[in-house]
Amino acid sequence: DTAVSQTPKYLVTQMGNDKSIKCEQNLGHDTMYWYKQDSKKFLKIMFSYNNKELIINETVPNRFSPKSPDKAHLNLHINSLELGDSAVYFCASSPRGLGLLNTEAFFGQGTRLTVV
Amino acid sequence: QQQVKQSPQSLIVQKGGISIINCAYENTAFDYFPWYQQFPGKGPALLIAIRPDVSEKKEGRFTISFNKSAKQFSLHIMDSQPGDSATYFCAASIEGRGSTLGRLYFGRGTQLTVWP
Repeated sequence: DTAVSQTPKYLVTQMGNDKSIKCEQNLGHDTMYWYKQDSKKFLKIMFSYNNKELIINETVPNRFSPKSPDKAHLNLHINSLELGDSAVYFCASSPRGLGLLNTEAFFGQGTRLTVV
Repeated sequence: QQQVKQSPQSLIVQKGGISIINCAYENTAFDYFPWYQQFPGKGPALLIAIRPDVSEKKEGRFTISFNKSAKQFSLHIMDSQPGDSATYFCAASIEGRGSTLGRLYFGRGTQLTVWP
């Protein structure tokens, strides 16, 4: 009954490979996000979707492409992986929608990506 | 640039002591200030949050103090316990539409260690 679940939890891959991280939320939220946490634990937003529509697209290399097949899922595909992509990637969701007051964001447990 | 500045980077407190973490912001459009707690291997989880129309909010041992004129807010943990040892993030966001929707700007985090 996990609220926001990501798979896989760990991902080790070689430079140049393409990989995907999947995220699903069962909270009925309208908005989902991808955050990146670097080795110094700094959290930075990458993307957000509201009802399958891309809302935030932060300055992220276009090797990163989010896909939202429905409002309960937001996947992250990464092409041509580089050493600098190594980080922990968090999926999150919130009930925020247009006009709603800010509310809590629920985070998944993270995917630790290591590029070797 | 860093939208929310957090200090200290690390904090060591004895059991029963008071832990204080400070944050400052520049953007006066921010109208929601949450604190997130993150344990190793887990995603951040909302601890407590405040809006700028109040100067203080208390939930159990955790208190946010908010100074709108100084654009500063802080987290106080009273009677700190070893179980409070975690990384704490302050954040700020703007209720809004379009690209500001739900975007959380995080501080760089404070690693709190509570010694028994």
